[in-house]
Amino acid sequence: KQEVTQIPAALSVPEGENLVLNCSFTDSAIYNLQWFRQDPGKGLTSLLLIQSSQREQTSGRLNASLDKSSGRSTLYIAASQPGDSATYLCAVEGGNKLTFGTGTQLKVEL
Amino acid sequence: EPEVTQTPSHQVTQMGQEVILRCVPISNHLYFYWYRQILGQKVEFLVSFYNNEISEKSEIFDDQFSVERPDGSNFTLKIRSTKLEDSAMYFCASSGQGSLRSNQPQHFGDGTRLSIL
Repeated sequence: KQEVTQIPAALSVPEGENLVLNCSFTDSAIYNLQWFRQDPGKGLTSLLLIQSSQREQTSGRLNASLDKSSGRSTLYIAASQPGDSATYLCAVEGGNKLTFGTGTQLKVEL
Repeated sequence: EPEVTQTPSHQVTQMGQEVILRCVPISNHLYFYWYRQILGQKVEFLVSFYNNEISEKSEIFDDQFSVERPDGSNFTLKIRSTKLEDSAMYFCASSGQGSLRSNQPQHFGDGTRLSIL
């Protein structure tokens, strides 16, 4: 059974700092990995999708990497802003479903 | 940008009653999903649906639950005989425009908050 873990559970940083969120998964037989953002009481916004054959994807200030063999992914956020404050979720796709981690709650302070 | 829409945003129901949660997936998507998130817990997979049939379901998705695509645009989740522990945020998602489903992101709606009293 796939298990997805995210560390840290919570993170507070000053504005402008670069930061890394970590995700690990137990079963490397995945189709892809997605990073999502969730604002309080809201739905999930897809940030990046990395296919299993890829090593990284970039979108603006976000860069996600994938090491499928070791079961790890990182989300790098450059020059963080208060608007980046949210919970970031990692999810791996296997079969016809996503398995989610518990998320990292990020707060970017002025 | 196309989006997944869910109604209602909040549903309050007495225990034992039936509820139907509604979703309109993105119009050219072929794969549909329901997930739920109990307050403070992980997002959990319930069911996936393709070509008018369930393609995968979790242990949570027992006989109490059913899904339907009654027409070309709606996708519904029915919960019979609701229990207190069914209280959660329910998310609908859709993906895929063809054989490359596995390389396309799932797009989520804003969810329906279900409160069972």
